[in-house]
Amino acid sequence: SQQGEEDPQALSIQEGENATMNCSYKTSINNLQWYRQNSGRGLVHLILIRSNEREKHSGRLRVTLDTSKKSSSLLITASRAADTASYFCATNRNTGGFKTIFGAGTRLFVKA
Amino acid sequence: NAGVTQTPKFQVLKTGQSMTLQCAQDMNHEYMSWYRQDPGMGLRLIHYSVGAGITDQGEVPNGYNVSRSTTEDFPLRLLSAAPSQTSVYFCASSSLLAGRSYNEQFFGPGTRLTVL
Repeated sequence: SQQGEEDPQALSIQEGENATMNCSYKTSINNLQWYRQNSGRGLVHLILIRSNEREKHSGRLRVTLDTSKKSSSLLITASRAADTASYFCATNRNTGGFKTIFGAGTRLFVKA
Repeated sequence: NAGVTQTPKFQVLKTGQSMTLQCAQDMNHEYMSWYRQDPGMGLRLIHYSVGAGITDQGEVPNGYNVSRSTTEDFPLRLLSAAPSQTSVYFCASSSLLAGRSYNEQFFGPGTRLTVL
């Protein structure tokens, strides 16, 4: 079963707008990671946030983590056409071994 | 520094055939894993390893075997291919962190497998 669930499943915005994607999970975690996947390619790591962190920034990316609600959000500010991709959250659980659980992803389309 | 490499890029098999997907990394990472990705879906963990000689099952291990004889290599074997194994397969590696956790994963480019 999928632990991480992204919301929305698809998002279409204009260049320059902000894009927000959400991720919910079910069990306690060590950390949560966000990845980007361009069509037909491997995943690229964007940002890792540990369970004791609440917010993290990297360039135009801002990730928040709320462990009480078991949710995270990824904000991309001032989006560009090159941000068009699928975005996945992945949780690294703190029980049951070193298993990463990926969500089904959010497909982001940024119109130029 | 090649990162994570996978071979082959594409493969077509007939039902019942066996094959090995190769994965190698040159970053001296302890953790390596195999995922499959079906159309429109996220990745599902097949098997993983936290070091040479140590492997464990993921979410969907049936029909696949792995071994880890060296830090660098982590091959995935399909024992008797079935059409349900048609998918894109990704290998990834990562360094381990304290507390039974690991760092960001680096992914290979994937292998597209079709089973007829």
